[in-house]
Amino acid sequence: GAGVSQTPSNKVTEKGKYVELRCDPISGHTALYWYRQSLGQGPEFLIYFQGTGAADDSGLPNDRFFAVRPEGSVSTLKIQRTERGDSAVYLCASSPSGGRDKYFGPGTRLTVT
Amino acid sequence: AQTVTQSQPEMSVQEAETVTLSCTYDTSESDYYLFWYKQPPSRQMILVIRQEAYKQQNATENRFSVNFQKAAKSFSLKISDSQLGDAAMYFCAYRRAGGTSYGKLTFGQGTILTVHP
Repeated sequence: GAGVSQTPSNKVTEKGKYVELRCDPISGHTALYWYRQSLGQGPEFLIYFQGTGAADDSGLPNDRFFAVRPEGSVSTLKIQRTERGDSAVYLCASSPSGGRDKYFGPGTRLTVT
Repeated sequence: AQTVTQSQPEMSVQEAETVTLSCTYDTSESDYYLFWYKQPPSRQMILVIRQEAYKQQNATENRFSVNFQKAAKSFSLKISDSQLGDAAMYFCAYRRAGGTSYGKLTFGQGTILTVHP
C-alpha cells in the first residue's frame, strides 16, 4: 500500500513569509508525528497527534509553529513569520494506534532565504 | 529527560565485512524501546531493527543484530556482510513504553556509514 507522503518535497520561501507543509499518513493510522531535522543532526520531535487532537506538542519551538489534523487523517504544519533558522527537513511519520513502529515520509526540505 | 548519544560521526567498512555502530542512552525509565533507523540520501527514515528493553535476548534481522546492554545503557548495531546499499546515515532512537509522551522518539546525532567496494 501507499506509504506516508509529504508535499511539497522542497519549499523555498523568504524570511517573514508563511508556509504550510502537508502530510498524508498511511490509511488507517491514527497516530501522526512531526519532526524537524537540521542539517547533519538527528530529527527532533515537534508534535504528536492521536486522531484529531494533539496528544503532545511539547516540541513546538515557539508560537510561530502550529499543526492541525482536523479529520484525523491529513495533517498540516504551519509556520508563521519564517526565520532563516527554520530551514530544515520536516519529517512526518504515522503509526497504528498503540503501534510500536513509525513509518516515515520522505520529508519536506524548507529553505528560508 | 532522555538523551541518546552516538559518538561516531562517521564509520567506514569494506564490502562483505562487519561493522559495529555505537549508541548510548540515558533514561530513568525501566521499560522502553530502542531502534536503529537508516536514512539514505532520499531522506526516508527506514526502520532497521527494534529492541524491547524488557527482553534480554538481542534482536536480529537478517544481517543486522544488536548488542543491548541494559545496565550499561548501551545499544550497538552490528552489520554483517556489509553491502553497498547499506551506505547511509544511521540513527539510534529511544522511545518510552508508556506515559503521556510514549509516542515521542528521541534520536541520536547519527553516524554516516560508508561502504567501500
